[in-house]
Amino acid sequence: DAGITQSPRHKVTETGTPVTLRCHQTENHRYMYWYRQDPGHGLRLIHYSYGVKDTDKGEVSDGYSVSRSKTEDFLLTLESATSSQTSVYFCAISKPPGSGNTIYFGEGSWLTVV
Amino acid sequence: QKEVEQDPGPLSVPEGAIVSLNCTYSNSAFQYFMWYRQYSRKGPELLMYTYSSGNKEDGRFTAQVDKSSKYISLFIRDSQPSDSATYLCAMTPQGGSEKLVFGKGTKLTVNP
Repeated sequence: DAGITQSPRHKVTETGTPVTLRCHQTENHRYMYWYRQDPGHGLRLIHYSYGVKDTDKGEVSDGYSVSRSKTEDFLLTLESATSSQTSVYFCAISKPPGSGNTIYFGEGSWLTVV
Repeated sequence: QKEVEQDPGPLSVPEGAIVSLNCTYSNSAFQYFMWYRQYSRKGPELLMYTYSSGNKEDGRFTAQVDKSSKYISLFIRDSQPSDSATYLCAMTPQGGSEKLVFGKGTKLTVNP
């Protein structure tokens, strides 16, 4: 158990509405990540955070924003959801140095934009 | 050429078979190599982690890295129906985990 909780786990929303996904960790790790996983594309990094208020873009950041006001919480926001953002979203953390850059995933949030 | 190539399968084997899963890569800077297992509708879970070249064994699982060929493998001995999942390879150069690159996964089914 990586100590990661994602919410909501499932959501259906309409095109054009804002959506926020929450990731909560219990182990006080510095690095947190948001990925999306799609058939044919695999796992792709959206944004990541290396500390409170410190975030950076990943491979597929367009249309997404993130915030991290506390160590334990990392929020992913879709400002105006589109059908192309229908996906499963995974939050992840990386454990301290010595873990070889390995990351640990949450259980996922399934988002459908209709 | 994509940085990491992984045959998507699907791969179907009988229970007890030896399974070989593979990835090739193009970036010679990759130093850390991982295998993740992902059950249906679950998050990926770290299965094996290897630094640089060589073998690593953990129970029925063996991970091999051949940096000269840019090729990594995961072997599963005495495969079980509970091994049925999608297996993802991942790798990263020296540096942060934000540089982690994943293969697209191979779907494995072990038939009783």
